[in-house]
Amino acid sequence: GENVEQHPSTLSVQEGDSAVIKCTYSDSASNYFPWYKQELGKGPQLIIDIRSNVGEKKDQRIAVTLNKTAKHFSLHITETQPEDSAVYFCAASRSDYKLSFGAGTTVTVRA
Amino acid sequence: KAGVTQTPRYLIKTRGQQVTLSCSPISGHRSVSWYQQTPGQGLQFLFEYFSETQRNKGNFPGRFSGRQFSNSRSEMNVSTLELGDSALYLCASTSTGSSTDTQYFGPGTRLTVL
Repeated sequence: GENVEQHPSTLSVQEGDSAVIKCTYSDSASNYFPWYKQELGKGPQLIIDIRSNVGEKKDQRIAVTLNKTAKHFSLHITETQPEDSAVYFCAASRSDYKLSFGAGTTVTVRA
Repeated sequence: KAGVTQTPRYLIKTRGQQVTLSCSPISGHRSVSWYQQTPGQGLQFLFEYFSETQRNKGNFPGRFSGRQFSNSRSEMNVSTLELGDSALYLCASTSTGSSTDTQYFGPGTRLTVL
């Protein structure tokens, strides 16, 4: 089955700096790559996603890049703010109705 | 539009008991997926239902089962509870049920097995 690896497991950044989280996947048939943010006591919330026919996607301060050849994708958060502190999960899916998640990255934005 | 709702939010059971968790998807959504979240194993897929049919199942023992009703609400059941079943159980819904559709998660049910 699909195996998704996520790095780093923890990330501490100064407010205003950028944060980058990287994921690799094993199944070349995966074609959908969402990123979720999970705050304490809440379920994961989708922040951005990318499909295999696109190399990059941006939404305000958040961007995701996908390299299908290397089977890796990354999340970039620019101008980080304290409210960006949370656990972030990458995921991958092929056409089998399930998401395979990375282990998560705990992001702390220092004021 | 109301989000995904899960009941109950918290549950405490003892080993050997069984438990039923409920999930109401976003109105109009026909697909419901269930995930187990633990500190050690992370988020793991349990099963997915669309129009009352299970389309995929994760690698969990048969003690874990689920079903979906005609109104798209879903329940999952865990029988003969073990300590290791303590986890946050999340459900997610999608509108069309496509594998590349956005999955919207509920807040989860926190199950503690004593």
